[in-house]
Amino acid sequence: DAGVIQSPRHEVTEMGQEVTLRCKPISGHNSLFWYRQTMMRGLELLIYFNNNVPIDDSGMPEDRFSAKMPNASFSTLKIQPSEPRDSAVYFCASSLKGGNQPQHFGDGTRLSIL
Amino acid sequence: GENVEQHPSTLSVQEGDSAVIKCTYSDSASNYFPWYKQELGKRPQLIIDIRSNVGEKKDQRIAVTLNKTAKHFSLHITETQPEDSAVYFCAAPRTGTASKLTFGTGTRLQVTL
Repeated sequence: DAGVIQSPRHEVTEMGQEVTLRCKPISGHNSLFWYRQTMMRGLELLIYFNNNVPIDDSGMPEDRFSAKMPNASFSTLKIQPSEPRDSAVYFCASSLKGGNQPQHFGDGTRLSIL
Repeated sequence: GENVEQHPSTLSVQEGDSAVIKCTYSDSASNYFPWYKQELGKRPQLIIDIRSNVGEKKDQRIAVTLNKTAKHFSLHITETQPEDSAVYFCAAPRTGTASKLTFGTGTRLQVTL
């Protein structure tokens, strides 16, 4: 039973470059969440989707961040242009739709912007 | 929105002792409370959750209790082992957006030999 799959696991790039993080949710799950984790700010929700539709992007820090979910089995989080302060671990999670459903996390992408 | 406070931020116990981590929440409508364990460099992993229609739930050495009146819930780990060492996060849903969770700031648990 495959869990949430994220790629890449690690990304190191120079500031100003475009970064694309990818996520494949658990099959059958129709809610998908993007989180960012840093020591200073903890685990922050950036955006979430229900049935491929963005429901709440209030956590997206600024216009440099964008997320898409073109189909039920794939989502991307893009940062353009990237900045050193974007360095963090980015997690994707998925769940069944509706309240009170467990969220299952992927292994995360460790992003370093030099 | 929901506000979740978690205490303590760090906890050190000897192997075999019990550990208790507490969280409070602000929204009385919240009705689902998961706990996650995150080992160093790994993903948060759901270890137990409780819904508001019960006051306690157990799974082997782990238990969660819920006090809806006081708006707090606790994680209890008995007979701690070195592999229990990790950061533990509580969470609660945000009103009106039941899919969204607000996470606590985490408790770093260290189990010493």
